[in-house]
Parts: sequence; C-alpha cells; structure tokens
Amino acid sequence: DTAVSQTPKYLVTQMGNDKSIKCEQNLGHDTMYWYKQDSKKFLKIMFSYNNKELIINETVPNRFSPKSPDKAHLNLHINSLELGDSAVYFCASSQGTRGNEQFFGPGTRLTVL
Amino acid sequence: QKEVEQDPGPLSVPEGAIVSLNCTYSNSAFQYFMWYRQYSRKGPELLMYTYSSGNKEDGRFTAQVDKSSKYISLFIRDSQPSDSATYLCAMNGGSNYKLTFGKGTLLTVNP
Repeated sequence: DTAVSQTPKYLVTQMGNDKSIKCEQNLGHDTMYWYKQDSKKFLKIMFSYNNKELIINETVPNRFSPKSPDKAHLNLHINSLELGDSAVYFCASSQGTRGNEQFFGPGTRLTVL
Repeated sequence: QKEVEQDPGPLSVPEGAIVSLNCTYSNSAFQYFMWYRQYSRKGPELLMYTYSSGNKEDGRFTAQVDKSSKYISLFIRDSQPSDSATYLCAMNGGSNYKLTFGKGTLLTVNP
C-alpha cells in the first residue's frame, strides 16, 4: 500500500524519558512534516524537511529534534519528556515545498505520565 | 484575529441533509485551500484541494472559495452516517509554505 506510516502507534512513558517516533512514506514525495495535535484537535506544524534539508522549524522546545536520513524518512526524537508533550503527533508528506496536498500518517498517540 | 477561523460545532444533521462547513481567514496571501476529513483516532485525509477563487466538485462534495470575502465553504450533499467526522480547512500561499489549519468542525450525520 502506498502511504505514510508511523511507528509506534501508541507510546506511554514517564516524565523525563527520551523517546523517538519514526515516519516513512512511499509516495515518492520530497517533503515531510511533523505536526502536533493537542487535546482540542488543533493541528500545528512543528518541522518540515525537503530532500533532507530543514525548511520549517516552528517555535518548538529544543528537546524536540527531527532527523531525516533520506527523503522517504523523517524521525522525531524527544528528550526529557514533559506532561505537556502528551498529544497525537502526525507525520505528513507532499511533493514540493509549497506544502499543498499533504498526506498524513495515522498518528502516534503519546502519553506522558 | 486568528489567521483561520472555523466554527468547531458540533454540527448534527439527519441523513440526506445538505451540510455546509465554512472557514474565514485574514491572510490575503493565501491562495491554496484544502479540506481534510479526520475520523476519530485517525490521520487527516485530504478531501478537496482548490486554487484561488471558484468552485470545485467531486461527487457529493463541493468546495467554494471566495477570496474577495476571505471565505471558503465545503458542501456535502445527501450526507451519510459515514460522513460523520471532523472537517478541517487548511490553506497557504505566497511565501508561506506552512499549511494553516482551522480548528475543525465536528459533524455527526444521524441515520
């Protein structure tokens, strides 16, 4: 199936831990994104990479570090997790940097206890 | 004023009704407009994509953009229970590569 996939789907962890979320797309797109969706369902962009180069870096704590090993993968590493990091994190991809027609993954539901 | 305003609802309609979902925006540079559907506990799914002003139809869905009023709409004809979801508008344009989303409208279509 052509899609955007994320692992894991659920992540439950303690405050202070470090965790990673992985994203892969097989749509042949060259731009990938990380979004955070809070409890009120508001979707906010965090980062975007085009051909492994960071092009969008919103005001996100530097505990969050994205990494793109190639244009089909974009991972998100979070250090020293805090309660406020609990949210659903979505990966998305699109062709080109304009940001239109983004295709989203199924999300990773992160719960920090 | 927020860049994109969308009434969160909830909106509840009987099966077969025509549904109208709307967003207003303040950034006149926006020229690409999208509607996403998000089922509970799933990722947003791209429904409609339009460029600049005008209408676009796809089956039971029609997207309208009025740039002079900074107003976009999504109409759903003959609504079905399977249309029950949160609908998110999104837009970008100019030098802004980022998609700016509305907060989403929760729609329930009752059989």
